Amino acid sequence: SQQGEEDPQALSIQEGENATMNCSYKTSINNLQWYRQNSGRGLVHLILIRSNEREKHSGRLRVTLDTSKKSSSLLITASRAADTASYFCATTRGSARQLTFGSGTQLTVLP
Amino acid sequence: DARVTQTPRDKVTEMGQEVTMRCQPILGHNTVFWYRQTMMQGLELLAYFRNRAPLDDSGMPKDRFSAEMPDATLATLKIQPSEPRDSAVYFCASALSTSNTGELFFGEGSRLTVL
Repeated sequence: SQQGEEDPQALSIQEGENATMNCSYKTSINNLQWYRQNSGRGLVHLILIRSNEREKHSGRLRVTLDTSKKSSSLLITASRAADTASYFCATTRGSARQLTFGSGTQLTVLP
Repeated sequence: DARVTQTPRDKVTEMGQEVTMRCQPILGHNTVFWYRQTMMQGLELLAYFRNRAPLDDSGMPKDRFSAEMPDATLATLKIQPSEPRDSAVYFCASALSTSNTGELFFGEGSRLTVL
């Protein structure tokens, strides 16, 4: 079963706007990762945030983690049409290395 | 350019036929995962190997699915007999268990359609 649920399921914005996606999970975690999937392609790792971190940045990406609320958010600033993709959060817990994925957010950036 | 290679990319078959999907993990990676992606269920973990040994295949229907790693450069996922409900995209991913990032590297997937 899926560990994470993402919100919204779909998001459509104009190029240049910021996009925010949220992820909630159910159990304690070691870390939380965000992946991107272009249509018809495999998933690509974007960023990892550990359970003892609250915020992390990578280029135009900003990830936050609130372990008390069991939630994370991914912010993409100054979005581009090329950012159009599905975005998934994924968690690991305990000694397990396998990732449990959320349901994903389909982001469409209109030129 | 290191990447995970999956074959076939697309497979259409009839119900009851055997299907074998293959994956070549990134050289040096010792952990291999099989995921299945459908619209209804999203991404589900089917099986997970480390150093070629199966660690977790609890997500895999045992009666018809089998996963193996004949050697460190090849992982296989077999469905016999296939059923229409097996139609999905099957992803292989590899990782290095000692990596700090825990990042998984995904292949492009094998899209299976069972008629």
